Amino acid sequence: NAGVTQTPKFRVLKTGQSMTLLCAQDMNHEYMYWYRQDPGMGLRLIHYSVGEGTTAKGEVPDGYNVSRLKKQNFLLGLESAAPSQTSVYFCASSYSISHTDTQYFGPGTRLTVL
Amino acid sequence: DQQVKQNSPSLSVQEGRISILNCDYTNSMFDYFLWYKKYPAEGPTFLISISSIKDKNEDGRFTVFLNKSAKHLSLHIVPSQPGDSAVYFCAASGPLAGSYQLTFGKGTKLSVIP
Repeated sequence: NAGVTQTPKFRVLKTGQSMTLLCAQDMNHEYMYWYRQDPGMGLRLIHYSVGEGTTAKGEVPDGYNVSRLKKQNFLLGLESAAPSQTSVYFCASSYSISHTDTQYFGPGTRLTVL
Repeated sequence: DQQVKQNSPSLSVQEGRISILNCDYTNSMFDYFLWYKKYPAEGPTFLISISSIKDKNEDGRFTVFLNKSAKHLSLHIVPSQPGDSAVYFCAASGPLAGSYQLTFGKGTKLSVIP
């Protein structure tokens, strides 16, 4: 079991470029999440998905889009990157919506926007 | 407005002694609390949790205490070991805005000195 994996691990973009971050989980989890972590800040929820084909906005959704075409994958897109999106991005998954269910995190993607 | 606060950015403890990490919350609708541990270049991993119907939960060297009236929880690690050196995030969940998403504190970096 690989758990939650993220691709790529590192990326440097120029302002205005676009990219997609891929998250994959092999635990058959229904719920998937994208967070960002900035220095001195906790993790903040960007978007989440309650199942294949469904997504919802989190706390900081502006500038990002997501898609969940397959249950095991959750993609985070930046259409026009900005320096304010320099951050470490974490994907997570959980079995159900129950707030007592553990969220399992991937290793993160460190993104720098110049 | 920060709803989950970890007011100590860092903490240093001697190996073998007790580590006490603190967390305060402001939203009385939170009813489940978690601690996550994060090593550098890795994603957060679940450590221990507590429901609002309890005031203590213990798992080996780790104990979480919840004081609902003070809206305060703490994580005790006894005895502390060098491998416990990491960033610890407090998180809370509850029926905020109709969903059960996690709200994270900013984290406390624990250093256990051999």
